[in-house]
Amino acid sequence: KNEVEQSPQNLTAQEGEFITINCSYSVGISALHWLQQHPGGGIVSLFMLSSGKKKHGRLIATINIQEKHSSLHITASHPRDSAVYICADIPQGGSEKLVFGKGTKLTVNP
Amino acid sequence: DTEVTQTPKHLVMGMTNKKSLKCEQHMGHRAMYWYKQKAKKPPELMFVYSYEKLSINESVPSRFSPECPNSSLLNLHLHALQPEDSALYLCASSQTGTSGRSAVYEQYFGPGTRLTVT
Repeated sequence: KNEVEQSPQNLTAQEGEFITINCSYSVGISALHWLQQHPGGGIVSLFMLSSGKKKHGRLIATINIQEKHSSLHITASHPRDSAVYICADIPQGGSEKLVFGKGTKLTVNP
Repeated sequence: DTEVTQTPKHLVMGMTNKKSLKCEQHMGHRAMYWYKQKAKKPPELMFVYSYEKLSINESVPSRFSPECPNSSLLNLHLHALQPEDSALYLCASSQTGTSGRSAVYEQYFGPGTRLTVT
């Protein structure tokens, strides 16, 4: 069964801190999404990656296919980064059906 | 244009009402999705359309009726809903392969419609 686990479930940080959110999955995948959702809001796709590392501004996502693990890093965190971060994988062979983690709620205090 | 738009943003409806949610994208994507999201939960897939044909129905009750009138538009018709159907309804779109499968194409989400059933 394809399961996606995220840790931590909740994370509180001070402005400027380096943040790491982890995602592990149980079966082989084609790719993995990192998504951001602000309170009461829609979902923004931050990254989709199938190998290596991607960077966009202060956000960095890495994936290790062999270890079935991905991380999302936020450098120089800011209160506007406060949101729920969700990882979702695309099963191997390709599929419209994303398998979602339960999300990590990040709060960055000024 | 990498935007998926959804209307209305908020909807309150009674259990006997009929209403529709609308979703639009102009990215040329040929796969479109409806998701339901309850508070503090991840999204749950409801329907997928690929090339304007329904390709996935996740055993959704018939009081939810999707429609894809063209490649840019996706509707969700609502009738005789229950209070437990209150949720955020998200639309998404993605490219898809020529065989109709989405493979590893990135999904782009809309802002959602917050539905309250009274």
